[in-house]
Amino acid sequence: SQKIEQNSEALNIQEGKTATLTCNYTNYSPAYLQWYRQDPGRGPVFLLLIRENEKEKRKERLKVTFDTTLKQSLFHITASQPADSATYLCALRSNDYKLSFGAGTTVTVRA
Amino acid sequence: EAGVTQSPTHLIKTRGQQATLRCSPISGHTSVYWYQQALGLGLQFLLWYDEGEERNRGNFPPRFSGRQFPNYSSELNVNALELEDSALYLCASSLRGHYGYTFGSGTRLTVV
Repeated sequence: SQKIEQNSEALNIQEGKTATLTCNYTNYSPAYLQWYRQDPGRGPVFLLLIRENEKEKRKERLKVTFDTTLKQSLFHITASQPADSATYLCALRSNDYKLSFGAGTTVTVRA
Repeated sequence: EAGVTQSPTHLIKTRGQQATLRCSPISGHTSVYWYQQALGLGLQFLLWYDEGEERNRGNFPPRFSGRQFPNYSSELNVNALELEDSALYLCASSLRGHYGYTFGSGTRLTVV
């Protein structure tokens, strides 16, 4: 069956450091992968999309890599700030066009 | 530009009752998606509507149903409510073929 797995542990980091989140998937052949941010009690917010032919993508302090051989995406938040504290979700579209989400990784940035 | 709006924000129902949740997509978006997020759990895909038609549904029983209106707004109905239906129900919209979804803030359904 298709699975999306993210870091199971919450991530606590010091302000200014880089947070690295992992998204692994099985039984998907995705043309692209998406990352979202979710704050408590709110809907997810789309952050980035990376295509299968792109190794790396950046948006401000965010960097995403996509390795279709390893079936893995890494999501980096550089120069982290307390405002970056949230849950980050990766998402993949299955063959029947459903967008499925991982369980998310909760990041807490300490001042 | 107004975002995706959902109503009501909170809904409390008794077991066995029916709940109706509403969603207005971003203007011009033809696709609407519904997800369930139970406390502490991930988003579970419920339904996808596009151009008024149901295009796909997740692994949920038939008592979860919905529709999309000509103005692309959508309604999610949950019949014969059970305690485990308590969750945050999220609606998202997108342009057809566009990859990023825009989510609403959700309806918190509590079944007592």
